[in-house]
Amino acid sequence: QVQLQESGPGLVKPSETLSLNCAVSGYSISGDYSWGWVRQPPGKGLAWIGTISHSGTPYYNPSLKSRVTISLDTSRNQFSLRLNSVTAADTAIYYCARQSDRGLYYESGTSYHPLNWFDPWGQGTLVTVSS
Amino acid sequence: QSALTQPRSVSGSPGQSVTISCTGTINDVGGYPYVSWYQQHPGKAPRLIIYDVNDRPSEVPDRFSGSKSGNTASLTIAGLQAEDEADYYCCSYAGRYTLVVFGGGTKLTVL
Repeated sequence: QVQLQESGPGLVKPSETLSLNCAVSGYSISGDYSWGWVRQPPGKGLAWIGTISHSGTPYYNPSLKSRVTISLDTSRNQFSLRLNSVTAADTAIYYCARQSDRGLYYESGTSYHPLNWFDPWGQGTLVTVSS
Repeated sequence: QSALTQPRSVSGSPGQSVTISCTGTINDVGGYPYVSWYQQHPGKAPRLIIYDVNDRPSEVPDRFSGSKSGNTASLTIAGLQAEDEADYYCCSYAGRYTLVVFGGGTKLTVL
């Protein structure tokens, strides 16, 4: 059974860097899936932050791209999120999840693997940005 | 403002059916067969209930079904039960630049 568990500080000061880890058990992160981060501000909806493929290629939400870094640590079977220059707007529950990229489609003669469904999810961790 | 538009709330009585819509554009829902739906109970993580528009994980009851027409995807829940009361989110692949978009979520109330 695949399980994911987020960890990291619950409180970050404005302008500093938010850092979270996601430990994966029951599946190797080098296998045939990608690994994503999704956040949910209190009382609001889900928002995709970014994803890293099993080979280490990152994909980011264009609105956050300048502040986000996602990386893999295959030795620990975990992946990480770093979000710099945080503000109160970054206060949210942060979820990590396994993401399927097994599809294939062609566009202008090039093949692409779409970033698809998320399953399973970690339990989530609340990060508050406040001084 | 979310990229995909969902009704803020829907409701139904036990045993009835409800449908939740998710409207996007040709650049996301309408352009790819990669729509997924998630159920989220209060204080819990989201749970995948539909993927690839109309496929269901084996553990999800067949009361849950998905479909798509043009730029709008739909989730139908038949034979409503009290435990179906939750928030529901749609998600779509949105091409190689935008990549992933979510809907704003729909709160389902079982009357």
